[in-house]
Amino acid sequence: AQRVTQPEKLLSVFKGAPVELKCNYSYSGSPELFWYVQYSRQRLQLLLRHISRESIKGFTADLNKGETSFHLKKPFAQEEDSAMYYCALSRTGGGADGLTFGKGTHLIIQP
Amino acid sequence: DTGVSQNPRHKITKRGQNVTFRCDPISEHNRLYWYRQTLGQGPEFLTYFQNEAQLEKSRLLSDRFSAERPKGSFSTLEIQRTEQGDSAMYLCASSRKTDRAQYFGPGTRLTVL
Repeated sequence: AQRVTQPEKLLSVFKGAPVELKCNYSYSGSPELFWYVQYSRQRLQLLLRHISRESIKGFTADLNKGETSFHLKKPFAQEEDSAMYYCALSRTGGGADGLTFGKGTHLIIQP
Repeated sequence: DTGVSQNPRHKITKRGQNVTFRCDPISEHNRLYWYRQTLGQGPEFLTYFQNEAQLEKSRLLSDRFSAERPKGSFSTLEIQRTEQGDSAMYLCASSRKTDRAQYFGPGTRLTVL
């Protein structure tokens, strides 16, 4: 069975500092990976996905198949980045199915 | 607002009662998913539909839970004989058939007393 691990429940950094939220996965096939973000009192939103290889709100994430990781990075944190971040995995091959989520990392950006 | 909508947003019930939640997906999305989220956890997959067909159920979906999507549009999730352990946020998401990215509703928070 697949699994997503986010080792940090809470990450606190100062405004302007670099941010890295870690995500590791286990899956025997070739997955598709996503990052979702949930701001206070808002719904879960798709932030980015590995196949698009784009930067959203200054965040990037690269899929490293050798290390089975999909870490989320931003060079200069902003206060509005404070939120819950979830890494999620979708199995590939034959139809769609539910996403497997990590437990989330609460990112706090201090002024 | 053309996003996923869920009703009610909050539901408080007594143990043993039945509850039903509704999800309206994004109109052009033919896949619809239900998840459950408890405190300190990420969302956990329950079941999904492609049009009106229920194609996958998680082992988390006990026989007290039933989901329907009769016309391939909105979906309902019913919990019979609720237990305190059913207290959670119930999330609905939808996607296009050709896209694995899922878009979430605001959730229904269930409290079982």
